[in-house]
Parts: sequence; structure tokens; C-alpha cells
Amino acid sequence: GQQVKQSSPSLTVQEGGISILNCDYENDMFDYFAWYKKYPDNSPTLLISVRSNVDKREDGRLTVFLNKSGKHFSLHITASQPEDTAVYLCAADHSGGSNYKLTFGKGTLLTVTP
Amino acid sequence: AQTIHQWPVAEIKAVGSPLSLGCTIKGKSSPNLYWYWQATGGTLQQLFYSITVGQVESVVQLNLSASRPKDDQFILSTEKLLLSHSGFYLCAWSPGQGYEQYFGPGTRLTVL
Repeated sequence: GQQVKQSSPSLTVQEGGISILNCDYENDMFDYFAWYKKYPDNSPTLLISVRSNVDKREDGRLTVFLNKSGKHFSLHITASQPEDTAVYLCAADHSGGSNYKLTFGKGTLLTVTP
Repeated sequence: AQTIHQWPVAEIKAVGSPLSLGCTIKGKSSPNLYWYWQATGGTLQQLFYSITVGQVESVVQLNLSASRPKDDQFILSTEKLLLSHSGFYLCAWSPGQGYEQYFGPGTRLTVL
């Protein structure tokens, strides 16, 4: 089964609004969570990450919320801009695991309209 | 600062032909290295990882192999390409397990 799920393949937000991207995971051993941004035919760029000992981390317009009991984490982008239009990938890892595997979701295409 | 370089940028190859893709990281000693693959419209999948020179572990079987001949070099190869090998190949590094992974620019492979 898919261990990391992004249930919304796409999201459209108006410029200036808040974009909320969601990710659910199955493995309760995951303790590292990240969001990447990807343009077509480009490689993913790390945006922000968080470890399981915190439930929130802010960096400028970006905030990651982690809900461990619900196996859910989200990325909030405030004051969304057209330049934020891209595919957003969530990823999770178990730092004590044996297979060194960062598991990605399928991605959500965020479109910010002027 | 660390830099990661992949070569070639793009390849068009015939079914049944051999393939070798390369990845080099500079500015970081003993990184963990990873190969990923994304088919068009597909999910990013990890193929291999390596935590030290000469040691490579397979995560997904795709009739590909990988080697790490030097601390800063990771090679992906096959002797016979399949149509299903087409896609975007990405190399990544991290300072350790459970840490951020940083991706190279990628190689676009088209198998005809």
C-alpha cells in the first residue's frame, strides 16, 4: 500500500490566500517529515522539514503542522503568490529504520491565480 | 557549499542498449547517496542507496544496477534498456539517515 498519501492531486488558490497542502501516512515509526517543491522537468527542492518531537515549525510564509496521533501533516503557505505554482511533494522517513528510504507522496499541483 | 552534478542532462537510447548515468557530489565527505526514478506522471521512487564506498543497496528492482566507486560518485547502469526505463532519474545526497535529502538536477532518459 501507499505509505504516504496526498489525497488531493490539485489545489487552486487565489493570490494572497492561504494554501493548505495535506499529507497522510501509515507508518507510525516515521519521525521525519518534509515538504518539497517541484517544477516540471526539474528536481525537487526541499522547502521545510520537521521531526516528530515538535508539532509545528514556521519558516517565513511556510508552516508545517504535524499531527502524530492522526498520522497527518500539512503545509500552510500564507500570502500565496503566482510563483508558488508548482507540484508539492510530501515525504516521510524513519530515522532508525534499516532501509534508508525517504517515502514520497504522489504530489499536489498547486495553482495560484492572480 | 555542497554541489551535486548529474550527467548526462538527457539521453535518447534504443531498447536493448546499455546505459550509464553518473552523479558526483562535491563539498561533503561520506554522504549517503540515493538514486530515484520518476516515470512520466508517476511517483518519485527510490531505487538504490549507498552509505559508504563500495556498498549499494537496492530498494526497487527495475533491472538496473548501481555502484559507488568513489566516496563522491554514484553510478546507475544497465546492460539492456527496456522501454519502461524511460523517465527522470535523480541523484540525491543526505548527511545521514532521517535527514534532509538534496537532489541533483536530474537526467531525462527516453528509450525508443
